[in-house]
Amino acid sequence: KAGVTQTPRYLIKTRGQQVTLSCSPISGHRSVSWYQQTPGQGLQFLFEYFSETQRNKGNFPGRFSGRQFSNSRSEMNVSTLELGDSALYLCASSFSGQGAGWYQETQYFGPGTRLLVL
Amino acid sequence: AQSVTQPDIHITVSEGASLELRCNYSYGATPYLFWYVQSPGQGLQLLLKYFSGDTLVQGIKGFEAEFKRSQSSFNLRKPSVHWSDAAEYFCAVGGRSARQLTFGSGTQLTVLP
Repeated sequence: KAGVTQTPRYLIKTRGQQVTLSCSPISGHRSVSWYQQTPGQGLQFLFEYFSETQRNKGNFPGRFSGRQFSNSRSEMNVSTLELGDSALYLCASSFSGQGAGWYQETQYFGPGTRLLVL
Repeated sequence: AQSVTQPDIHITVSEGASLELRCNYSYGATPYLFWYVQSPGQGLQLLLKYFSGDTLVQGIKGFEAEFKRSQSSFNLRKPSVHWSDAAEYFCAVGGRSARQLTFGSGTQLTVLP
């Protein structure tokens, strides 16, 4: 099975712009979570989507948003970029099917999208 | 709220030596615990996980971890380190959800020849 794929892998933007990142989960996985990784704050949970619905949200401003499509692919969007948004954005997928045991809830991470805001 | 502490920012060991990376968690009930490894410029690879049952968990690449409820710890061990193990290691806890993880700050492992 192919792993989690994220596009693009690298991105450079300027302050005030907006950006959209894409994540394709492992085939058959229905849950997608997003994390931000920075040297200062470490790995922080952004949000989680399942069946096109946001199930959980971390402590991030409203400039960070996401969505999930019927094929489980997910996008996250950051509007009005700030310098502090420079980070590695990681996507993770899990099976999370109906009746799935916790064992099947393990998240598998993609390689990430490295965003640099100038 | 859940939290994870990895007290060692950086650890250096010689190749062939044993390794133990410390992880302490805070959560009111039995948590879901994970160890992930990240090589430079890469995403996170799952090493092992603990959900319930046997408190000694075996993972990939010869790693194991032991859940100790009394100490709120989930330390990662390897009997003999290889140069390819040099990377950053993250402990994570999933409390309410295994899909909403709280990560520790990571431990950078350097392996000397």
